[in-house]
Amino acid sequence: RKEVEQDPGPFNVPEGATVAFNCTYSNSASQSFFWYRQDCRKEPKLLMSVYSSGNEDGRFTAQLNRASQYISLLIRDSKLSDSATYLCVVPLYNKLIFGAGTRLAVHP
Amino acid sequence: EPEVTQTPSHQVTQMGQEVILRCVPISNHLYFYWYRQILGQKVEFLVSFYNNEISEKSEIFDDQFSVERPDGSNFTLKIRSTKLEDSAMYFCASETAGRTDTQYFGPGTRLTVL
Repeated sequence: RKEVEQDPGPFNVPEGATVAFNCTYSNSASQSFFWYRQDCRKEPKLLMSVYSSGNEDGRFTAQLNRASQYISLLIRDSKLSDSATYLCVVPLYNKLIFGAGTRLAVHP
Repeated sequence: EPEVTQTPSHQVTQMGQEVILRCVPISNHLYFYWYRQILGQKVEFLVSFYNNEISEKSEIFDDQFSVERPDGSNFTLKIRSTKLEDSAMYFCASETAGRTDTQYFGPGTRLTVL
């Protein structure tokens, strides 16, 4: 099993749609998790942290299921500006382990 | 808002040449990292650095790579003899406390090896 595995995408959705991304991780000892956003040829930027069962920030909701080693990111009311690659990230000791990312394209 | 800066934004070099990528982490941060991202692939950890020494390094970080914090502000990644497969975006990141709670990434240096 890969350390961090994500939906391959791409997801093409209209403005206003709700979209969900999934991520599974292999290290059951991991305590915290992150979703980063990466625009084309730019650096990853932290979107949300998840420490317990979930976290909500405006239109974004992250949920964690430790038993299934599964994390999700839900985006409601998608905007054109949400178009990006969403990276599931799991810390391991002194480093971050990145998933390959799921690409989201929001169209008018 | 403080940010991590990196120079140059784009570096083109010939195979076999040495390159030095520079980073200025956020000033009160104590933990520093280099990651790389080959075009179309995922971000990969290279090395972490704390208290003037390497804390951890990946298999990618072989003898051709080295890191240094030559003064109180810069953090550099040196590749001694570049290979074609070293072509990638190189991201520097820094963090306050080393818990990997929030690593702040610089804008990256695009390295092209010809």
